[in-house]
Amino acid sequence: QKEVEQNSGPLSVPEGAIASLNCTYSDRGSQSFFWYRQYSGKSPELIMFIYSNGDKEDGRFTAQLNKASQYVSLLIRDSQPSDSATYLCAVTTLRGSNTGKLIFGQGTTLQVKP
Amino acid sequence: DAGVIQSPRHEVTEMGQEVTLRCKPISGHDYLFWYRQTMMRGLELLIYFNNNVPIDDSGMPEDRFSAKMPNASFSTLKIQPSEPRDSAVYFCASSFRAETDTQYFGPGTRLTVL
Repeated sequence: QKEVEQNSGPLSVPEGAIASLNCTYSDRGSQSFFWYRQYSGKSPELIMFIYSNGDKEDGRFTAQLNKASQYVSLLIRDSQPSDSATYLCAVTTLRGSNTGKLIFGQGTTLQVKP
Repeated sequence: DAGVIQSPRHEVTEMGQEVTLRCKPISGHDYLFWYRQTMMRGLELLIYFNNNVPIDDSGMPEDRFSAKMPNASFSTLKIQPSEPRDSAVYFCASSFRAETDTQYFGPGTRLTVL
């Protein structure tokens, strides 16, 4: 079992729709959760982070965390073609060490069609 | 702030040659990370430093890889000898206070080993 799992996609949504990206993780002790966006040929850039169960909203983006079910999701409202990118879920883990580090999922490719 | 700086941006070399990748973290950041990204394996953490000291190098694939951080503003990742399977994009990232803080990525070095 991978430590952080994402559906690779591509996830295709029409412009203006809600895009829903999901991520599950295996380390029940994980405390911090991040969503990064990566455009083709570019480096990952942070969109949001979330530490507590529930929802966290920032503009068109909402991160949702459910620690009991070990999943974190990212909703993008009013999707725009400029949102087309790969979205990476990253989770902190202490497994196998006493230092935390980020483990990245493989990423989900989102395509927003005009 | 200039962000994380990496050089070179592209490197093409022949199998068996030594390759050195360079990184300058964001000023004031205590943590520096080296990642490798491939289509097959995604984004993998190779090694990270705290205050110039290597903390976790469990991701370094083998003895051909080595990393140093002689001071707070400079780090190198060296591959000697290089092999075609080392071809990937290598990212450097830095964070302010902890491994679990937001990480800011450099533009990456695209390495091709022929």
